[in-house]
Amino acid sequence: GQQVMQIPQYQHVQEGEDFTTYCNSSTTLSNIQWYKQRPGGHPVFLIQLVKSGEVKKQKRLTFQFGEAKKNSSLHITATQTTDVGTYFCAGLSNDYKLSFGAGTTVTVRA
Amino acid sequence: EPEVTQTPSHQVTQMGQEVILRCVPISNHLYFYWYRQILGQKVEFLVSFYNNEISEKSEIFDDQFSVERPDGSNFTLKIRSTKLEDSAMYFCASQTGPKGDTQYFGPGTRLTVL
Repeated sequence: GQQVMQIPQYQHVQEGEDFTTYCNSSTTLSNIQWYKQRPGGHPVFLIQLVKSGEVKKQKRLTFQFGEAKKNSSLHITATQTTDVGTYFCAGLSNDYKLSFGAGTTVTVRA
Repeated sequence: EPEVTQTPSHQVTQMGQEVILRCVPISNHLYFYWYRQILGQKVEFLVSFYNNEISEKSEIFDDQFSVERPDGSNFTLKIRSTKLEDSAMYFCASQTGPKGDTQYFGPGTRLTVL
């Protein structure tokens, strides 16, 4: 079955620094979605990428979808304490099943 | 802003008992999902539901599980004869249409099986 791998599992970041989390699928995806889950909360949709090579930005967050539609990345610049949480990628297969990566849990040192 | 709601927020049950987790999806949404998240782990797909029937289910969703939309607003997940390993957060999600529309997640029900 489809597998979505995400690295790193944990990211400890100094406030103000940048970091990137990466997502890889074992199969070609229809689209990839990114979610953020705050501690004790539920996944909240951030963005969806559909086209090969697509790049989208949300303020300090930059999302990329690979040319082969099998990998994606989320890059956060100038990390703030509000960025704390777990970021999940979720790949939508061609039969519309959403498979989540294991998540990258971000902690920020002030 | 409309949101998905779930009740109860926390359910504690004895092993072997049946539980029903309830969800009220966003009113104009047509596709409904259940996911679970074991503490500290990733979100896992359980089942999708459309047009009053299951459209997709994972290997986790065995005969112990069932879903229902009994009255056009509630969407329920029943777990028969709960096991210790069923302890997890269970999230309901809904979306307007297929093909990758945004899924909106409810706040989850924490199920603890003793």
